[in-house]
Order: sequence, then C-alpha cells, then structure tokens
Amino acid sequence: QVQLHESGPGLVKPSETLSLTCTVSGGSVSSGDSYWSWVRQPPGKGLEWIGYTVYGGSDNYNPSFKSRVTISIDTSKNQFSLKLSSVTAADTAVYYCARSPTVLLRHFDYWGQGTVVTVSS
Amino acid sequence: DIVLTQSPGTLSLSLGERASLSCRASQSVSSSYLAWYRQKPGQAPRLLIYGTSNRATGIADRISGSGSGTEFTLTISGLEPEDFAVYYCQQSKSSPYTFGQGTKLEIK
Repeated sequence: QVQLHESGPGLVKPSETLSLTCTVSGGSVSSGDSYWSWVRQPPGKGLEWIGYTVYGGSDNYNPSFKSRVTISIDTSKNQFSLKLSSVTAADTAVYYCARSPTVLLRHFDYWGQGTVVTVSS
Repeated sequence: DIVLTQSPGTLSLSLGERASLSCRASQSVSSSYLAWYRQKPGQAPRLLIYGTSNRATGIADRISGSGSGTEFTLTISGLEPEDFAVYYCQQSKSSPYTFGQGTKLEIK
C-alpha cells in the first residue's frame, strides 16, 4: 500500500517561494514507472494539476504556472518536492501530492491527505 | 487545454436512488485517459474509476463508468450515505491534465 504525506510551511509571504515535500512509503520514487504529481485546490474551488516528475525522465508542468514551478525527486529520502516562486494570495490552497501508476495509466491512484498553504504577509 | 464540463452542478437524490453524473470534454479523450474521483469535505480525492470504466481497488460494483469520445458518465446505483460528496472527472490524454469543476451529490 503506497502512502504519501505532504509537509512544509503553512504560511508563506507574498513574493516568496512556497516549498513542500511529499514523503512516499510503500513505494519507491525511483521506480521509473510511477509519475509523481502535485495538485492543488483553492478554498471552495476545484482541483488544478500543477505538474509531475518521473525518475530518469522529463518533468511536465502546467503552463498556467509558467516558469514559477519546479518539481524534483530526492531518492535518498524517497521524497519529491514542489517549489513555487513569486507566490500571491491566489496561490492559497490545499496542496496534494499524488501518484500516477505508469506512463500509460496517468490517473491518480494514491493521494496525500493534503496540506494547507496560506499566502499572506 | 481540454476543458471538462460536468453536469449537473448539484444533484439532489434520496438514499437508494440512482445517480447519473455527466462529464463532457471540449475535444475527444481516449477512453484510457478519463477518470472519476470522489471527494468528501476535508479529505483528499479518492479514485473511483480509471480508463472510463475500470473500478479502482475497493470500489463497490454499484459504481460504474461509461462513455467515449467527448461524453462520459458516472453511474451510482442504490445510493448510500457515503456516496454524498463532490465528484470530479479528470483527463490525462494531454497536458495539462485537467479536472471538471465538480458535481455535488446531496441528500434530498
């Protein structure tokens, strides 16, 4: 059973960089088969895919985030992380990490419980 | 981007009834890349259906998915208390992956 757990600051100041980590257990971020994504949900709104990373492959980001986003893998800790720069109040949301099982099965079968991030001075 | 439009926005039904939720795509989506999720308040989404009609692990067989091209449907028979939640469809045919805006299933 794969489990994911997000962690990071719950409060970020405007114009700063949001940094979150997702710790994976029961599976390996270096498997090369699974894709590791971040999805967010602003208060009272729907879900928005931010991007994914895959070990040994190319990252893929939602153009809505332009050059603000970086997702990377740390195999030594079995984690992957999200960095979102130049944040504004519009980036306030619950942030989820999620897994897609393979390149051909790109739905999200496992999710973290989510972490609330508020952007405010 | 592929836009997914879900209808209705809110569906009010009673226990034991059958729910039919629609997801319409702005362009054709391969059946392999259409999924459905259920989200309860304060919880992460849970995968229900992937590849249009494949039930995820642990999902009851009274939940089913169908469709093709641009029209997809999630059907829930014999509504139980746990079914009342928000449902999202999602496409992974092309990047950026997108979700519908959600359908709220509420108890009548």
